[in-house]
Amino acid sequence: QSVLTQPPSASGTPGQRVTISCSGSSSNIGGNYVYWYQQLPGTAPKLLIYKNDQRPSGVPDRFSGSKSGTSASLAISGLRSEDEADYYCAVWDDSLSGRVFGGGTTLTVL
Amino acid sequence: QVHLQESGPGLVKPSQTLSLTCTVSGGSINNGSFYWSWIRQPAGKGLEWIGRVNNRGTTVYNPSLKSRVSISVDRSKNTFSLNVRSVTAADSAVYYCTRLWDFYYYGMDVWGQGTRVTVSS
Repeated sequence: QSVLTQPPSASGTPGQRVTISCSGSSSNIGGNYVYWYQQLPGTAPKLLIYKNDQRPSGVPDRFSGSKSGTSASLAISGLRSEDEADYYCAVWDDSLSGRVFGGGTTLTVL
Repeated sequence: QVHLQESGPGLVKPSQTLSLTCTVSGGSINNGSFYWSWIRQPAGKGLEWIGRVNNRGTTVYNPSLKSRVSISVDRSKNTFSLNVRSVTAADSAVYYCTRLWDFYYYGMDVWGQGTRVTVSS
């Protein structure tokens, strides 16, 4: 049971906008930066968002992150079939003194 | 382009020590802008942070694993390593080594391909 709560699944059709939530607490999301990772099937995760809403070079602007209070969200617009993947939020937790991951959300493009 | 490659035994017996090494190529492990970490992922499950080390050997561990885990850096070989003691079947997972870069506020921007470790007699 992770300290960060993500919906286990999400879905959308090509071209749609999908949002994935990540809920935490004041000891993690509330006071620290949120990161998002994309894990395509059978591959290692990839950094998608850092510092709540920043994209590393090479990440399309279809991907965006936001944070409000103790929750964060990843939005994917213009959904494509290649976006089918598992998505994980991650953050430092001050109470645990360690980095924690959300349980992951499997995105299906219908 | 920095590349990370995990290596180590794919099969470890219960109660023994799991030892993995991550070789850093295309860059120096001695760069103070980076941390180096280990992540694991049991089959069909999510990601778990194990811990991290910097170029000076300073470590931070997942509290739930701290009593059994150690991470070290070898600057002469440009590698960092993971030891997990007294393993059980619950330690079976794909183990990833990663780089954390201060440019990305210590997001894990480079990942190894992962190595699968099975704990079984």
